[in-house]
Amino acid sequence: QQPVQSPQAVILREGEDAVINCSSSKALYSVHWYRQKHGEAPVFLMILLKGGEQMRHEKISASFNEKKQQSSLYLTASQLSYSGTYFCGKYRGTGGGNKLTFGTGTQLKVEL
Amino acid sequence: DARVTQTPRHKVTEMGQEVTMRCQPILGHNTVFWYRQTMMQGLELLAYFRNRAPLDDSGMPKDRFSAEMPDATLATLKIQPSEPRDSAVYFCASGFSGGNTQYFGPGTRLTVL
Repeated sequence: QQPVQSPQAVILREGEDAVINCSSSKALYSVHWYRQKHGEAPVFLMILLKGGEQMRHEKISASFNEKKQQSSLYLTASQLSYSGTYFCGKYRGTGGGNKLTFGTGTQLKVEL
Repeated sequence: DARVTQTPRHKVTEMGQEVTMRCQPILGHNTVFWYRQTMMQGLELLAYFRNRAPLDDSGMPKDRFSAEMPDATLATLKIQPSEPRDSAVYFCASGFSGGNTQYFGPGTRLTVL
């Protein structure tokens, strides 16, 4: 089952902040975040492990709430280069077939 | 700078023709994934291999799609016969098993007329 991401799309002015949420109906071992720019391949941002700490990639950070089976991506002081589609991927270990299942994506556009 | 490579980058073909897409994973990675991306369905996992053995191809239409890894440096995805609904971008990704980072190739954009 695909993780649910919200919002589906967001437009920001440069310097504004945004939060992208990723929810799963089943328990997670880890959550992965990727960013895909238009016409390019998805690129890994970070992994959040069960019981692990909040992670950071430049001014983008993320948290993982195991009880809620939810992860949130925080984009602080957004830059034009942050534009793209953000995907979360859930990993459930052997119970999930040892594979990532990606969410539907959140389109982020940062404007001047 | 190690990268996943895919060929061809673009393919336009007519319905009913065979299509073969190739992927060279990053040297040393033991897991290879094939994904299909469309606007409607997003990123769908078609198949994946660990140590060249197919582990899961439940996302693949079995009657027309096949995936193989003839050796550690080559993975192939074949569609025969192709249909217009197969039009999509097909990504290959590689990594180490156990839920680690996946490194995506540039993709093959397939258009079936």
